Amino acid sequence: EDQVTQSPEALRLQEGESSSLNCSYTVSGLRGLFWYRQDPGKGPEFLFTLYSAGEEKEKERLKATLTKKESFLHITAPKPEDSATYLCAVQDSNYQLIWGAGTKLIIKP
Amino acid sequence: DTAVSQTPKYLVTQMGNDKSIKCEQNLGHDTMYWYKQDSKKFLKIMFSYNNKELIINETVPNRFSPKSPDKAHLNLHINSLELGDSAVYFCASSQTGLQPQHFGDGTRLSIL
Repeated sequence: EDQVTQSPEALRLQEGESSSLNCSYTVSGLRGLFWYRQDPGKGPEFLFTLYSAGEEKEKERLKATLTKKESFLHITAPKPEDSATYLCAVQDSNYQLIWGAGTKLIIKP
Repeated sequence: DTAVSQTPKYLVTQMGNDKSIKCEQNLGHDTMYWYKQDSKKFLKIMFSYNNKELIINETVPNRFSPKSPDKAHLNLHINSLELGDSAVYFCASSQTGLQPQHFGDGTRLSIL
């Protein structure tokens, strides 16, 4: 069965303390892996798409990487405004998105 | 300009009632979706709709029905609401099935 698991469930960091979020997946016929950010009371906001192992994407303090079994979202020198829930989703061979439960990131000033 | 908009933002109603949630997108996208986000924050696809082709998640009760008057709108109608329907419902759209999806801000449905 297709599955997406994100870890940790929650992560508290001090401002400037770099870390990584993990998204591991089992899916038949991966078409793409998506990272989204969700703020409280809002819908998910698209961050990155990764299509093949070895691919990397960057945006400001965020960098996403992809292997055949997992993806990492690296956060470098985070700021309080980076606090949010980060969601990972994989697209299967039928173009359906399977979502992880998210990692709630809290950056303390 | 809001790209994907949903109304209402909050919906409180009693068990057994029928309600609708409206969704409009001004991105010119061809595909629209409805998701349910439960208390554990999992997003579960309910429907996707593309050029009059409706793909239904088989786990969705037939009390839920999407209605699309045109390409920019996909409304969600729910009959005989049950306590378990309480959740946040998100509408989304994408240019194609391969492109990233853009989400509305959700409708929080509470069943009394």
